[in-house]
Amino acid sequence: NAGVTQTPKFQVLKTGQSMTLQCAQDMNHNSMYWYRQDPGMGLRLIYYSASEGTTDKGEVPNGYNVSRLNKREFSLRLESAAPSQTSVYFCASTRQNTEAFFGQGTRLTVV
Amino acid sequence: GENVEQHPSTLSVQEGDSAVIKCTYSDSASNYFPWYKQELGKRPQLIIDIRSNVGEKKDQRIAVTLNKTAKHFSLHITETQPEDSAVYFCAALSGAGSYQLTFGKGTKLSVIP
Repeated sequence: NAGVTQTPKFQVLKTGQSMTLQCAQDMNHNSMYWYRQDPGMGLRLIYYSASEGTTDKGEVPNGYNVSRLNKREFSLRLESAAPSQTSVYFCASTRQNTEAFFGQGTRLTVV
Repeated sequence: GENVEQHPSTLSVQEGDSAVIKCTYSDSASNYFPWYKQELGKRPQLIIDIRSNVGEKKDQRIAVTLNKTAKHFSLHITETQPEDSAVYFCAALSGAGSYQLTFGKGTKLSVIP
């Protein structure tokens, strides 16, 4: 039982490159989330998916797109990376009104 | 959308003293309030949570209180130990079918031996 699995753990991109962060959960959770964590800013919600087939913008969606591929998988795409997107990214999943489980995080650097 | 404010941003206490972290939320439809602990370089992990139909919940040295009328909730840690040093986040889950989970900016707790 792996919980929430994120890939990759580390990534360095050049400005303008694109990439997709992958997230998968094996807990049969309905809701999945993508956050970014910057020093002093806490965990800011980028996008979330309340259930399979739905996605909604969070607090900081600009520059990102998401896909809820199926109930297990929720991916985050950066179409044209910018230095301001340097951050640690966390995926999380939850059944409604219960504990959210986090992936191990992706440390992304855009140069 | 939901807005969660958390205070203080940093907190230093002597070992054995109590620590209190406070949060306020804006969406009256929010109905679930978890607290997470994050150690350096690790993922956030749940330490305690409370639902909107409960006023207080305890788990050993940790307690959470919720005041729905005032829209604030607090984390209380008693008899603090050095291993309690970490960043703590409060969060609120919007209800009414939204399921948006919004976090506060975090409190860095340092327990001085």
